[in-house]
Amino acid sequence: ELVLTQSPGTLSLSPGERATLFCRASQSLSSGYLAWYQQKPGQAPRLLIYGAASRATGTPDRFSGSESGTDFTLTISSLEPEDFAVYYCQQYGSSPTWTFGQGTKVEMK
Amino acid sequence: QLQLQESGPGLVRPSETLSLTCTVSGDSVTSTAFYWGWIRQSPGKGLEWIGSIHHSGSTISSLPLKSRVTISVDTSKNQFSLRLSSVTAADAGLYYCVRHGHGSFLLLITDWGQGTLVTVSS
Repeated sequence: ELVLTQSPGTLSLSPGERATLFCRASQSLSSGYLAWYQQKPGQAPRLLIYGAASRATGTPDRFSGSESGTDFTLTISSLEPEDFAVYYCQQYGSSPTWTFGQGTKVEMK
Repeated sequence: QLQLQESGPGLVRPSETLSLTCTVSGDSVTSTAFYWGWIRQSPGKGLEWIGSIHHSGSTISSLPLKSRVTISVDTSKNQFSLRLSSVTAADAGLYYCVRHGHGSFLLLITDWGQGTLVTVSS
């Protein structure tokens, strides 16, 4: 079974700083079928990135995704106040199992 | 604009069946472009996909939950529903109905309901 491990668990940063979040897959994903979601308190998650690096409609360009083998990265180039939230990675596509990472909380320092 | 709204009892007794309904507006459950599904979230397990249904009749379910999950569609009401049998405390959490892609985009979740909290208690 595929396991997605996110790190760090919590990231304490200030507005304007760069945030780098990691998601490691326990095995290779089909064609980089990895998504990132943002969840703010009291809200449902929202799709940010799909295909490891493609921004979903409405995602600001300060958000970027990348992949290197089984390692995936979400980068927020300069944190805005509204970016403090929990971020989840998720595998999708034709695999028979679909999983989420456990989440990384980006909190204000 | 698509809206998904969950409804159902917020309290379910252990060993009983959890039943939730998602009312869809802004799209049709007969759309062939999407699946309609359920995801839950709990402090202990994080985000967990439960199962999904396509208008064609295709249903897919999480392997650990497969034996207890039934998902159906009511096209006359533009709704889809979840039934989870023999619930335990481990089934408590926030349940979301979602719309997601198919094929290469299977389980790429583009739309979420606001979620409904389910407590399991006698």
